[in-house]
Amino acid sequence: KAGVTQTPRYLIKTRGQQVTLSCSPISGHRSVSWYQQTPGQGLQFLFEYFSETQRNKGNFPGRFSGRQFSNSRSEMNVSTLELGDSALYLCASRQLGGDEKLFFGSGTQLSVL
Amino acid sequence: GDSVTQMEGPVTLSEEAFLTINCTYTATGYPSLFWYVQYPGEGLQLLLKATKADDKGSNKGFEATYRKETTSFHLEKGSVQVSDSAVYFCALQGGSEKLVFGKGTKLTVNP
Repeated sequence: KAGVTQTPRYLIKTRGQQVTLSCSPISGHRSVSWYQQTPGQGLQFLFEYFSETQRNKGNFPGRFSGRQFSNSRSEMNVSTLELGDSALYLCASRQLGGDEKLFFGSGTQLSVL
Repeated sequence: GDSVTQMEGPVTLSEEAFLTINCTYTATGYPSLFWYVQYPGEGLQLLLKATKADDKGSNKGFEATYRKETTSFHLEKGSVQVSDSAVYFCALQGGSEKLVFGKGTKLTVNP
């Protein structure tokens, strides 16, 4: 079974631009969560999607948004990028009900210049 | 709100040394507790978990016991190996189902 796949692996943008990150969950997993990882703040929850609906949301500004498609793939968008948005963005999928173990992708390293 | 505090390190040990990484939490109700590990260049992997008080999670020689009275979930391993070098994250999942992570502890094991 393929793991959680995130693309691209690395991304360099400039302030003010917008960016879209992609996440393909493990086959059969309908829940996808996004996390931001920085050296200063650690891992912070962004949002979770299940069956194309946002199920949970962290404390991030509206510039951070996401969506989920009918095949459970998810995208995360950050508009009007700021230097502080430089981070590793991790996606995780799980199968709600039962074990509900979270499986993480390798992340997208975003650098904002 | 819910929070997790863990020793930030870095921690440097020699091979076969005993490891303890402290983790305490604040939460309402009865959260589930987890340890995740992140190897260089990779995402997080679940190492072990415990879902109720006095449960002991264990995996790959690592252990942690859910202590409700001290709100702690310390990670231990009796004899570390070079391959255990990684960043370790303590986390909790409460009623909101969001995972709340500690800031991570970097472990380096020298041969």
